[in-house]
Amino acid sequence: DAGVIQSPRHEVTEMGQEVTLRCKPISGHNSLFWYRQTMMRGLELLIYFNNNVPIDDSGMPEDRFSAKMPNASFSTLKIQPSEPRDSAVYFCASTSKQGFIDQPQHFGDGTRLSIL
Amino acid sequence: AQKITQTQPGMFVQEKEAVTLDCTYDTSDQSYGLFWYKQPSSGEMIFLIYQGSYDEQNATEGRYSLNFQKARKSANLVISASQLGDSAMYFCAMRERNTGNQFYFGTGTSLTVIP
Repeated sequence: DAGVIQSPRHEVTEMGQEVTLRCKPISGHNSLFWYRQTMMRGLELLIYFNNNVPIDDSGMPEDRFSAKMPNASFSTLKIQPSEPRDSAVYFCASTSKQGFIDQPQHFGDGTRLSIL
Repeated sequence: AQKITQTQPGMFVQEKEAVTLDCTYDTSDQSYGLFWYKQPSSGEMIFLIYQGSYDEQNATEGRYSLNFQKARKSANLVISASQLGDSAMYFCAMRERNTGNQFYFGTGTSLTVIP
């Protein structure tokens, strides 16, 4: 079975540029999560969707960040304009069956983002 | 209040020895699940083991077992016969029935296995 697929795996860009990270969740999963991981702040939840609807975006750092989930099989996280402090590993994860507590989150391999 | 607390930023264990990684949780929900993930230096997050709040027996998966003490709200991960490949970051997480699909992660414990 295909896992969570993220692209690109690595992104290096200059400050001020727009960055778009992509995620394809596991087929049949109805919840999708975006996380950011840094040495300083650890693993932070940015936003999560249930059935393509954003449920909690309180972790989104500021207006430069936006996330969309136009359909059940695709989500994007966009940073515009990017800043060096956005450098981190960004993970996408998905899970299924709201209310079924035994379902783990499945993570993609992450996007390592470097803003110069 | 923190939903998941991991108080050990770093741990060391001798190869072939057992090690316990601590995790305490905070919830008022009667139905919840507890998870452990491993993150090796390569970066991926690997699901290891699950324990349900109503499970009477401790979960086991190979060399991994979960020491679940419900009254103390602790869900410690025990790794037996440590191997060099066990060196990684380990995260404890919780999912509550009442909060749907929300997951809560701890800050992680870095485990180093010494040859």
